[in-house]
Amino acid sequence: GAVVSQHPSRVICKSGTSVKIECRSLDFQATTMFWYRQFPKQSLMLMATSNEGSKATYEQGVEKDKFLINHASLTLSTLTVTSAHPEDSSFYICSAGTSGRAANEQFFGPGTRLTVL
Amino acid sequence: AQTVTQSQPEMSVQEAETVTLSCTYDTSENNYYLFWYKQPPSRQMILVIRQEAYKQQNATENRFSVNFQKAAKSFSLKISDSQLGDTAMYFCAFMASGTYKYIFGTGTRLKVLA
Repeated sequence: GAVVSQHPSRVICKSGTSVKIECRSLDFQATTMFWYRQFPKQSLMLMATSNEGSKATYEQGVEKDKFLINHASLTLSTLTVTSAHPEDSSFYICSAGTSGRAANEQFFGPGTRLTVL
Repeated sequence: AQTVTQSQPEMSVQEAETVTLSCTYDTSENNYYLFWYKQPPSRQMILVIRQEAYKQQNATENRFSVNFQKAAKSFSLKISDSQLGDTAMYFCAFMASGTYKYIFGTGTRLKVLA
């Protein structure tokens, strides 16, 4: 149980285009979802927290207009990188949490590698 | 603000030996949770072990155990009988109760040698 999927696992795009990454909780309802960014050989950096049906809360320094987050249902959150540039190339990881089960624990997706040419 | 410190960027251990990874944290919270995550080359984050701060007993999961020293704000991970599959990046994480937000350490890269 507690499986989180991400799609796509890998994406290459041209500079200036937008890319959407999906994060789904497959066997539970995720009241809260988190988006992280991870640079090579570094730790996970929290970008934003989203609760179903409400606006995402962004961490300091993260551009909300560039990284659009939508958490429209209890099983799906999306991250859209708008007008992507090479510096946005990174590994993006989502995680999901629920108050009902294994509270105070996040379940991680497998990540998405974004390469912007 | 909470911080998590992992002072060992890289470690290596011989197969079947025991290794301990260090983690210290700073918080003024009284209720919180501590975690160790493993990130193998696949980059999938895998929960290794968790500890509730209100529990005095150290958590154990098979070959993995922790030494939780609340007063010293220390949370080390011991891996016994190390296996080649334990080679990975290990992250220590803190979560204040009710926040659902992790604060990660910088990680320790562990290599198990055959």
